[in-house]
Amino acid sequence: ETGVTQTPRHLVMGMTNKKSLKCEQHLGHNAMYWYKQSAKKPLELMFVYSLEERVENNSVPSRFSPECPNSSHLFLHLHTLQPEDSALYLCASSQDVRGSGYTFGSGTRLTVV
Amino acid sequence: DQQVKQNSPSLSVQEGRISILNCDYTNSMFDYFLWYKKYPAEGPTFLISISSIKDKNEDGRFTVFLNKSAKHLSLHIVPSQPGDSAVYFCAARESGSARQLTFGSGTQLTVLP
Repeated sequence: ETGVTQTPRHLVMGMTNKKSLKCEQHLGHNAMYWYKQSAKKPLELMFVYSLEERVENNSVPSRFSPECPNSSHLFLHLHTLQPEDSALYLCASSQDVRGSGYTFGSGTRLTVV
Repeated sequence: DQQVKQNSPSLSVQEGRISILNCDYTNSMFDYFLWYKKYPAEGPTFLISISSIKDKNEDGRFTVFLNKSAKHLSLHIVPSQPGDSAVYFCAARESGSARQLTFGSGTQLTVLP
């Protein structure tokens, strides 16, 4: 248990479905992140939130929609995904956006069929 | 264009021997480097870091070396243990900025008993 909890651990969804990934941290961190890990590729930063405000969006398609209702929770809403979106989605948090001490969750393994 | 490159996707080493994982970067503004370790079904966990003002940092069996002129860093694990078998990610950032970590694609280390 790292302090960052992601649910669900695995998700299979059709291209017309709508689903959400959830991330929760109780470390007192002020920054939260979504990363995507595809096979044999670097971790790709998707979104950064600082004190519940989105501060970075790395050209992510609109079919991915983040939400940060408070500093402890982060969601990634998914709709009309493509098979190439299948990947491991990792949530991370840090004390603030300038900190290098990321704590990662275990990830959600997403398969789009 | 990948700014952090791990050119070896996999490495196998005999237990008790030294493991050397390599990482190259292209962005000369990077001045803080980290290694993360990832087991299957878990998120990456921080292993060791180094600032550009140093060329070596040691923590137990793990040592990171930085060659700024070559834009190269390496992680040495000695002696290697079967429990070290994992994917190792190299990451870099410009400290003091809000720019986030840039990760490599990872190297799968297998330590054979």
